Amino acid sequence: DAGVTQSPTHLIKTRGQHVTLRCSPISGHKSVSWYQQVLGQGPQFIFQYYEKEERGRGNFPDRFSARQFPNYSSELNVNALLLGDSALYLCASSLALDRFSYEQYFGPGTRLTVT
Amino acid sequence: GQQLNQSPQSMFIQEGEDVSMNCTSSSIFNTWLWYKQDPGEGPVLLIALYKAGELTSNGRLTAQFGITRKDSFLNISASIPSDVGIYFCAGQKAPEYGNKLVFGAGTILRVKS
Repeated sequence: DAGVTQSPTHLIKTRGQHVTLRCSPISGHKSVSWYQQVLGQGPQFIFQYYEKEERGRGNFPDRFSARQFPNYSSELNVNALLLGDSALYLCASSLALDRFSYEQYFGPGTRLTVT
Repeated sequence: GQQLNQSPQSMFIQEGEDVSMNCTSSSIFNTWLWYKQDPGEGPVLLIALYKAGELTSNGRLTAQFGITRKDSFLNISASIPSDVGIYFCAGQKAPEYGNKLVFGAGTILRVKS
């Protein structure tokens, strides 16, 4: 079975531009979460979606938005890019939200570089 | 920012040695998970712990959920070169605090030359 897939793999953008990152969860998984990982740190939670509804939001500005589609895939959008948005953006999927279905499986990430 | 304190920050391993790392928090977590991340890849789930005091093994890896629910440790026995990488602990709080994982800053495992 395919794991979590993300596209694109790498992306270079200029300050002020916007970017859309895409994620397809493991087949059968209904929840998708997004994390930002800056070099040398652990992942930081951005959003969680379950059944197309936002179920959690981390401490990120409104420039960050996301959505989940009926097929459970998800998009993360970032507007007005800043240099500090350069990071590895990780998508994770889980079966559901109850405690024992909560194990999150990560994709390979999208490396975003803002110049 | 990070709410979990991982130690050590980095360590060198020699093949065959046992390795220990731990993770502490000032607050209680309902679930602890341990991940390994190789360069250029996403974290891979190693072990999930659901109950205070629980001890769980996955091959040469053993992890425990501390009885205070504020800490966890991971042991790797008889290390091999492919154990090199970054190990992250992650905690999940009770559902009323939101469904997210909080990660530590990681423990970097390197090979002793």
